[in-house]
Amino acid sequence: GAGVSQSPSNKVTEKGKDVELRCDPISGHTALYWYRQSLGQGLEFLIYFQGNSAPDKSGLPSDRFSAERTGGSVSTLTIQRTQQEDSAVYLCASRGTGQGGQYFGPGTRLTVL
Amino acid sequence: GNSVTQMEGPVTLSEEAFLTINCTYTATGYPSLFWYVQYPGEGLQLLLKATKADDKGSNKGFEATYRKETTSFHLEKGSVQVSDSAVYFCALGFNDYKLSFGAGTTVTVRA
Repeated sequence: GAGVSQSPSNKVTEKGKDVELRCDPISGHTALYWYRQSLGQGLEFLIYFQGNSAPDKSGLPSDRFSAERTGGSVSTLTIQRTQQEDSAVYLCASRGTGQGGQYFGPGTRLTVL
Repeated sequence: GNSVTQMEGPVTLSEEAFLTINCTYTATGYPSLFWYVQYPGEGLQLLLKATKADDKGSNKGFEATYRKETTSFHLEKGSVQVSDSAVYFCALGFNDYKLSFGAGTTVTVRA
């Protein structure tokens, strides 16, 4: 079946602009995660959704970052007033019930000029 | 807090060589442990996992054993191939939630 998909695959934006990153999880997966992969910080957890609610937002680096999930499926990560330090690959993962592990999407490479 | 420390790379090997990537962790409680792999140009893939002490995860010729006494989960493969060239990440999580990753180890296998 289809895996986790993310769009866009690449995004170049100017400092100060807002961006939206989209994640389509595997159908039926109730848990959804956002991570960030950057050179200086490695792989960092950002936020976790169970269904449409986000019980853990502890990894969001600032209030410029927000995320939502609708219909228990698609999720959008929004970064407002982007800064150069936001440049990274943003990864989405989803997980079904049981212990099958998290399945990652290909990521969105964000470059803030 | 929870953290993972893994062997720094890069690691360069010849085909058929033995590969070990060390991974140790710090955690409150008893996490599940994972190895993820990222092949060039591709996304992260789960390679193997272990959910309790003394469990051995294995896949594609790779193995790792959950050692509670040494808080370790070292990755091993007896005979690597060029196709094993990738970045390997050790990770921990509780109930497979909110993974904490190591820094990653880049492995290059030469023919």
